[in-house]
Amino acid sequence: GENVEQHPSTLSVQEGDSAVIKCTYSDSASNYFPWYKQELGKRPQLIIDIRSNVGEKKDQRIAVTLNKTAKHFSLHITETQPEDSAVYFCAAFSGGDDKIIFGKGTRLHILP
Amino acid sequence: DTAVSQTPKYLVTQMGNDKSIKCEQNLGHDTMYWYKQDSKKFLKIMFSYNNKELIINETVPNRFSPKSPDKAHLNLHINSLELGDSAVYFCASSPGTSGNTIYFGEGSWLTVV
Repeated sequence: GENVEQHPSTLSVQEGDSAVIKCTYSDSASNYFPWYKQELGKRPQLIIDIRSNVGEKKDQRIAVTLNKTAKHFSLHITETQPEDSAVYFCAAFSGGDDKIIFGKGTRLHILP
Repeated sequence: DTAVSQTPKYLVTQMGNDKSIKCEQNLGHDTMYWYKQDSKKFLKIMFSYNNKELIINETVPNRFSPKSPDKAHLNLHINSLELGDSAVYFCASSPGTSGNTIYFGEGSWLTVV
């Protein structure tokens, strides 16, 4: 079955700097890769997603890149702000298993 | 209007008790899920239903029994609660199973004492 590895587990960046979170997946048939943000005490919410027929997608300060050959995808947040502090989860949809598998999460701290 | 709503939000109960968490979605989605998030924040799928039919049943103790009376509802019943069951349980839904966005409910914080 699909296995999703996410790094780092914790990330601290200065406000205004960029943050990058990386994930790898094992199932080459996976074709959908969402990213979720979970603020303290709240539910995970989708912030951006990418499908396997696209290499990059951008939405204002966040972007996701996908390298199908290497089976890894990354979340990039530019000009970080205090409200970006949260836990971020990557995920991969495995067509073989017909389910979305989540990474273990990255706790992002934005330092003032 | 909450798209995926679950009750109760907080539940504190003693070991050995039986409890239920209810979930409803008004998005017209075909697929519903239960996820468990432990103290380390790992999100693990427990069950998935598509049009009231069980399609995913991960390695979950038999004490956990989901029930889907219709495609808008997915309830979770837990028998003989154990300390290790303490977690946040998220209900979720999606338009279908194939690579669609999952929408989470607000979570139910279960504490077993």
